[in-house]
Amino acid sequence: SQQGEEDPQALSIQEGENATMNCSYKTSINNLQWYRQNSGRGLVHLILIRSNEREKHSGRLRVTLDTSKKSSSLLITASRAADTASYFCATAPQGGSEKLVFGKGMKLTVNP
Amino acid sequence: DTAVSQTPKYLVTQMGNDKSIKCEQNLGHDTMYWYKQDSKKFLKIMFSYNNKELIINETVPNRFSPKSPDKAHLNLHINSLELGDSAVYFCASSRFKNTGELFFGEGSRLTVL
Repeated sequence: SQQGEEDPQALSIQEGENATMNCSYKTSINNLQWYRQNSGRGLVHLILIRSNEREKHSGRLRVTLDTSKKSSSLLITASRAADTASYFCATAPQGGSEKLVFGKGMKLTVNP
Repeated sequence: DTAVSQTPKYLVTQMGNDKSIKCEQNLGHDTMYWYKQDSKKFLKIMFSYNNKELIINETVPNRFSPKSPDKAHLNLHINSLELGDSAVYFCASSRFKNTGELFFGEGSRLTVL
């Protein structure tokens, strides 16, 4: 069953601005991951944050995780037109499941 | 070198036909997956194999049959295709079966007419 829910479903910003995407989930997790999908392409892993971590950085990406609120956010700073893509959060549920469950995705458009 | 490659990239076929999609990974990973992405971009797991052993089998019609001849390959065969099978099918792999980072192929877009 679907676990993550990204918010907003679509976001349009100007190049140079920051983009924040949120993900909410329902059950306890081992980790949460963010992926990017360019149009017509496969998903690319961006960052993984474990349940005992609160914040993680990778280049222009910053991910936070609040397990008490069952939510995560992905911040892309100084956005570029090349960041235009769909972004998905995916959760690895606790309890030994090997199943990574993806949210519906969020479309980010960065206008040059 | 492509890490996860799947063929064909596009499939257009008639209802009732049988088709196969092949997937190969050269990353040395133990676990491979098939995901289905529908027209609304929703991505759902179908199957997962770990070292050729089936470990995840979601509620998928038995017209779909995965086959893993070795841990580098995972193929998907679909019998008696239906209109609702139209989707993009993604193969993915991961180093272990414990839900770490997934590496995806480019997808195979199946259109059933």
